[in-house]
Amino acid sequence: GENVEQHPSTLSVQEGDSAVIKCTYSDSASNYFPWYKQELGKRPQLIIDIRSNVGEKKDQRIAVTLNKTAKHFSLHITETQPEDSAVYFCAASILGYSTLTFGKGTMLLVSP
Amino acid sequence: EADIYQTPRYLVIGTGKKITLECSQTMGHDKMYWYQQDPGMELHLIHYSYGVNSTEKGDLSSESTVSRIRTEHFPLTLESARPSHTSQYLCASSDPGQEYSNQPQHFGDGTRLSIL
Repeated sequence: GENVEQHPSTLSVQEGDSAVIKCTYSDSASNYFPWYKQELGKRPQLIIDIRSNVGEKKDQRIAVTLNKTAKHFSLHITETQPEDSAVYFCAASILGYSTLTFGKGTMLLVSP
Repeated sequence: EADIYQTPRYLVIGTGKKITLECSQTMGHDKMYWYQQDPGMELHLIHYSYGVNSTEKGDLSSESTVSRIRTEHFPLTLESARPSHTSQYLCASSDPGQEYSNQPQHFGDGTRLSIL
């Protein structure tokens, strides 16, 4: 089955800095890669996703890049704000299957 | 408002009790999922369903069972609760989309379960 590795497990940045979270996946048949943000005590919320036919996708301060050859994808947050503090999860899904395999999560702390 | 609803939000109960965690969605989604998550930790898929009368076991072995009699309803049952079942349980759903087109999953607020 699919295996997703996520790094780092914790990330501390100053407000205004950029943050990068990286994930690798094992199954080359994976073709869908969502990112979720989970604030303390809240439900995971989809923040951005990318499909394997696209190399990069951007939404305001958030961007995701995908390298299919290396089987890794990354989340980039620019101009971080304290409200970006949360746990971020990457996930991967194999073509034709609806289930997601999640990474272990990254706790992002943005200090004012 | 179209959403996915879980009840109860919190449950503290004694060992040996039978528990049913409720999950309903009003988004018209065919696919539904149950995850187990310790706070801030990895999400583990324990059950999923492609539609009515469809149930599958996930990656994490679980002593719970599920049923899917109606499209909008996907309850999870523990026949005899144990302290090891203490965790947060998250329900999710997704639209089927086009064939072979994976769609995002939308999560409920979760049930935080504590077994004494």
